[in-house]
Amino acid sequence: KNQVEQSPQSLIILEGKNCTLQCNYTVSPFSNLRWYKQDTGRGPVSLTIMTFSENTKSNGRYTATLDADTKQSSLHITASQLSDSASYICVVSDRGSTLGRLYFGRGTQLTVWP
Amino acid sequence: EADIYQTPRYLVIGTGKKITLECSQTMGHDKMYWYQQDPGMELHLIHYSYGVNSTEKGDLSSESTVSRIRTEHFPLTLESARPSHTSQYLCASSDRGVQDQETQYFGPGTRLLVL
Repeated sequence: KNQVEQSPQSLIILEGKNCTLQCNYTVSPFSNLRWYKQDTGRGPVSLTIMTFSENTKSNGRYTATLDADTKQSSLHITASQLSDSASYICVVSDRGSTLGRLYFGRGTQLTVWP
Repeated sequence: EADIYQTPRYLVIGTGKKITLECSQTMGHDKMYWYQQDPGMELHLIHYSYGVNSTEKGDLSSESTVSRIRTEHFPLTLESARPSHTSQYLCASSDRGVQDQETQYFGPGTRLLVL
């Protein structure tokens, strides 16, 4: 059973609009949560990383929030652009090993239309 | 922009052939990883390495093998390709940063189709 669930599975919005992507996780213990952007045919690129003590982090038009009590995170995209069309992946790391095992969500496929 | 490279980007091959997927990084990272990703699905870790001469199997059972003779190079080999191996293979590397802040840098991926 996947310990990181993302919603919605896919989303279509018009250019210039805002949107929010959700991530719920059951991973325990918890080390950090990352949001990655994966363009079609490319590898994921890190957008934000948040540890237990952080509840919000911004990277340009991307703002991630984290509620470690409810084990929920969101990624808010402001004033969307065509180049924002991609899959957004939520990744949670535990502290159980030297490797710091990563748990991947299946991603939200965002399409921005002109 | 991460300096991690994968070749080939696309590969179509017949059943039974031996293939090697190349991965190189110029960032001097000790840790390297191979993931398998099917469309619309999460990434699955199939192999990882802590450094030269270190290789470990990941969470997802895989018939592939890896080697780490040089820090910058982490090739993945399939001795006999099968249609079930059709997938996208992503290579990644990370440095020895504080674990809580460690970030993996991904290559562009290799899309493999086995006929």
